[in-house]
Amino acid sequence: EIVLTQSPDLQSVTPKEKVTITCRASQSIGTSLHWYQQKPDQSPKLLIKSASQSFSGVPSRFSGSGSGTDFTLTINGLEAEDAATYYCHQSSNLPWTFGQGTKVEIK
Amino acid sequence: QLLLHESGPGLVKPSETLSLTCSVSGGSITNTDYFWAWIRQSPGKGLEWIGSMYSSGSTHYNPSLKSRVTLSLDTSKNQFSLQLSSGTAADTAVYYCARMEYDSFWGKYRNFDHWGQGTLVTVSS
Repeated sequence: EIVLTQSPDLQSVTPKEKVTITCRASQSIGTSLHWYQQKPDQSPKLLIKSASQSFSGVPSRFSGSGSGTDFTLTINGLEAEDAATYYCHQSSNLPWTFGQGTKVEIK
Repeated sequence: QLLLHESGPGLVKPSETLSLTCSVSGGSITNTDYFWAWIRQSPGKGLEWIGSMYSSGSTHYNPSLKSRVTLSLDTSKNQFSLQLSSGTAADTAVYYCARMEYDSFWGKYRNFDHWGQGTLVTVSS
């Protein structure tokens, strides 16, 4: 099973600041890595697919990069509505797995 | 607009079977560009993929749950279902159904692009 490790677990950020979340895979997964945002009491929503492709309707401040084992989700200019937990997910190898999540809170 | 909606009992007794149905509107579960999946989230915890099913009947299961999971499709109702047998308190979670993009030409699995709102199932006597 591929283990995805996100860092940090918690990030406290002021509005307009840049946020960087990393996801490291236990083995190479190419670009089969996707990012989701989950707000309290809501279901996860797709932000970035295949490492760097923005999903339809997602604000342009969200971007993704990486391949192989190291991936990054960047939020350029955090807004208050971005307070949420962010998860990475790999679809390279069964079983599909998720990172443990990174909570982003607003200072 | 694709919508997914989970339904089923919110309370299951230990050792009994948890059964949930996902109703899909705005798209067909026979579309060969997608798998249909179940994912759960224990209270305060992360996400765990349970299993996925294709319109052909092909299934994939998480090995950690495989012995207890059955997935099925009802194309006449545009629904798919989850059965998880021998429930324990560890199965208490919010259960989500979701659609997974699938590139059938290359045989590549991709992201979960649409999710239901989730339903809380508690396993307790």
